[in-house]
Amino acid sequence: GNSVTQMEGPVTLSEEAFLTINCTYTATGYPSLFWYVQYPGEGLQLLLKATKADDKGSNKGFEATYRKETTSFHLEKGSVQVSDSAVYFCALGGGTSKAAGNKLTFGGGTRVLVKP
Amino acid sequence: KAGVTQTPRYLIKTRGQQVTLSCSPISGHRSVSWYQQTPGQGLQFLFEYFSETQRNKGNFPGRFSGRQFSNSRSEMNVSTLELGDSALYLCASSLAVPGLPYQETQYFGPGTRLLVL
Repeated sequence: GNSVTQMEGPVTLSEEAFLTINCTYTATGYPSLFWYVQYPGEGLQLLLKATKADDKGSNKGFEATYRKETTSFHLEKGSVQVSDSAVYFCALGGGTSKAAGNKLTFGGGTRVLVKP
Repeated sequence: KAGVTQTPRYLIKTRGQQVTLSCSPISGHRSVSWYQQTPGQGLQFLFEYFSETQRNKGNFPGRFSGRQFSNSRSEMNVSTLELGDSALYLCASSLAVPGLPYQETQYFGPGTRLLVL
């Protein structure tokens, strides 16, 4: 079945540092890939997405490229801020598989702490 | 446009009781999915409803059930609560327009935090 592997945290960075969170997946077909962010006490917010190979999703300075050859969707940000402190989740969507419907398969989450 | 709303936000129950959680999707969204989030198991898919029908189901016991109403609002019910049911329950909605690919974006609500004592 589908699965997502994410680097474990916590990741502690200084402000303006470069952030990378690794995400690899196992799936059949052509899934969509997502990054969600969760701030303390809140639900999940969509950060970015990519629906096919070589697509690059980007939002708020974050980027991730759908790499089918390496089954990866690593999240990057060039200069983090204290406000980026949160838990980040990589997720796999059903893609073109009708059997999967709208089910998302999530990685374990990576906690990021940015210090001033 | 208002986001996904969930009620109640916090709930305390005792073992053996049952609980009903409610979710109102974004206006115009027809698909509602439910997820359970715990520190040990992470985020796990419970089920998805579309047009008042369960379209997909995760690996949870039959104590977990749900339904969707004609206005797309959804409820989930957990009967005979166990301590391990303590979790954040998240609802997500998506458009589910017929003919679109299935890789739709899901938008999450703030969740209902359930504590079972």
